[in-house]
Amino acid sequence: RKEVEQDPGPFNVPEGATVAFNCTYSNSASQSFFWYRQDCRKEPKLLMSVYSSGNEDGRFTAQLNRASQYISLLIRDSKLSDSATYLCAPRGGGFKTIFGAGTRLFVKA
Amino acid sequence: ETGVTQSPTHLIKTRGQQVTLRCSSQSGHNTVSWYQQALGQGPQFIFQYYREEENGRGNFPPRFSGLQFPNYSSELNVNALELDDSALYLCASSGGGYTGELFFGEGSRLTVL
Repeated sequence: RKEVEQDPGPFNVPEGATVAFNCTYSNSASQSFFWYRQDCRKEPKLLMSVYSSGNEDGRFTAQLNRASQYISLLIRDSKLSDSATYLCAPRGGGFKTIFGAGTRLFVKA
Repeated sequence: ETGVTQSPTHLIKTRGQQVTLRCSSQSGHNTVSWYQQALGQGPQFIFQYYREEENGRGNFPPRFSGLQFPNYSSELNVNALELDDSALYLCASSGGGYTGELFFGEGSRLTVL
């Protein structure tokens, strides 16, 4: 089993749609959780951090369920500019951050 | 941007050669992590350096090695290059501690022929 598993996607949604991505992690020692956004052939950039049960930043909401070792990312009112790959990244023992394979999102006009 | 710089940005090598990739971390960051990202995959953790000591390693063979210098810049060395080493190599710096957000450089794209 992989340490971090994400919905493989791709997700194809129209502008204005709400879309949710799921992520599960196997390391129960993980303390911090992150969502990164990666545009094509670019470096990942931090989208959101999650330290407790959840976090909200504008159109983006992340939720954490430690008991189920599950993290989600919800994007409301999708924009064309949201088209990217979203990487789930728990930070576990030894302060290592491990990334999932990513979920690709395409937002269409 | 992030203040993390990597060099070179692109390079082409042949099988069996050796390569050194360099990273300057963001000012004030004492931790550097290196990742390998193959096309269509997520970043794979290679290793991490904290105050010049390796303090974590992923599932990579010993021909992947690294260094961190007193100014917290870092090098990734790969010996005996193989075709499968072709990838984007990402360096990320962080301030360590509990929070641990990573700040990535733009990466070094390595092609092995």
